[in-house]
Amino acid sequence: QKEVEQDPGPLSVPEGAIVSLNCTYSNSAFQYFMWYRQYSRKGPELLMYTYSSGNKEDGRFTAQVDKSSKYISLFIRDSQPSDSATYLCAMGKGGSEKLVFGKGTKLTVNP
Amino acid sequence: GAGVSQSPSNKVTEKGKDVELRCDPISGHTALYWYRQRLGQGLEFLIYFQGNSAPDKSGLPSDRFSAERTGESVSTLTIQRTQQEDSAVYLCASSSPPGLPAYEQYFGPGTRLTVT
Repeated sequence: QKEVEQDPGPLSVPEGAIVSLNCTYSNSAFQYFMWYRQYSRKGPELLMYTYSSGNKEDGRFTAQVDKSSKYISLFIRDSQPSDSATYLCAMGKGGSEKLVFGKGTKLTVNP
Repeated sequence: GAGVSQSPSNKVTEKGKDVELRCDPISGHTALYWYRQRLGQGLEFLIYFQGNSAPDKSGLPSDRFSAERTGESVSTLTIQRTQQEDSAVYLCASSSPPGLPAYEQYFGPGTRLTVT
């Protein structure tokens, strides 16, 4: 079993839809959870960062972490065509700066 | 300020040749990472530098791969005797000094390597 599992999609939704992206993981040592967004032919950029369990909201984006289930989610409300990108989850352990990335989910928001 | 820069942006090379990829991290960032991203795949960790500590080379796939970093600045990733399976985007990232949220890695645009 891989440390981090992420459904690669692709996922296609109409503009305005609520999008749910998620990752599961196997290593309970992960404490830091991130979502990166990667546009085509660009490097990933940090979108959301959460420490331990709980929710974090930033505009149209909400990140959720459920450590008991080893499950993290990213919700996008009122999705826009500009949200079309690949979304990668990433996780880190306390005391280490190395991150483990999921494969990424490719999202297309259709106008 | 300037972000992470990488050069070249694209590199086409013949099988068996050596290639050198360059990364300029954000000034003041002590940590530097190299990743490989194959088509349709996630980021595969290759190597990590933190200040003057010995690099973590645990992700390098073979002894054909090596990397160096001069102090806390430029890093080069060298692939010797390239193989077709080395074709990928090679991404470099840097992160902030210890004591600050170290998990926010800032990525460069990547070098797209094609081995023919």
